[in-house]
Amino acid sequence: DAGVTQSPTHLIKTRGQHVTLRCSPISGHKSVSWYQQVLGQGPQFIFQYYEKEERGRGNFPDRFSARQFPNYSSELNVNALLLGDSALYLCASRPGTRPMVDTQYFGPGTRLTVL
Amino acid sequence: AQSVTQPDIHITVSEGASLELRCNYSYGATPYLFWYVQSPGQGLQLLLKYFSGDTLVQGIKGFEAEFKRSQSSFNLRKPSVHWSDAAEYFCAVGGGFKTIFGAGTRLFVKA
Repeated sequence: DAGVTQSPTHLIKTRGQHVTLRCSPISGHKSVSWYQQVLGQGPQFIFQYYEKEERGRGNFPDRFSARQFPNYSSELNVNALLLGDSALYLCASRPGTRPMVDTQYFGPGTRLTVL
Repeated sequence: AQSVTQPDIHITVSEGASLELRCNYSYGATPYLFWYVQSPGQGLQLLLKYFSGDTLVQGIKGFEAEFKRSQSSFNLRKPSVHWSDAAEYFCAVGGGFKTIFGAGTRLFVKA
């Protein structure tokens, strides 16, 4: 079975632009979470979606938004990009029925560079 | 406030030597605790997790961790390190739908 996949692998944008990152969870997983990992730091929780509904949100500005589709894939959108948004964006999926008990599987990430 | 502290930014260990990575957490209730490993270009991989019960938890790749409530610690150990263990290690605490990660400890393994 394929693991969590993310696209694109790398992305370069300029300040003020908009970006969309995509994530496909493991087959059968209904929960997707997004994390931002700035170089030299641990991942920071952005969003968690389960069954297409937002179940959790971290301390990120409204420029960050996400959604989950009927096939459980997900998009993370970031508007009005700032230099500080440069980071590795990680997507993780889990079956979703037990948020902490079920193992969370991470994708390889999308490296976003904002110039 | 919920937080995770990994006091060591990096650690160097000789191959075959034992390893202990430190983790301290702050959490209002009984926490769910995790250790993840991240190799260059790879996503995070779960090594082990603790929810309740036996405070000594066994994980993959020969790792174990011990939960000590009185010290708010969840240290990761391995009796004999292999060169392939060189990576970044993250301790994390979870509750509900949110997981909070520490800043990580970079492990270097010398021959």
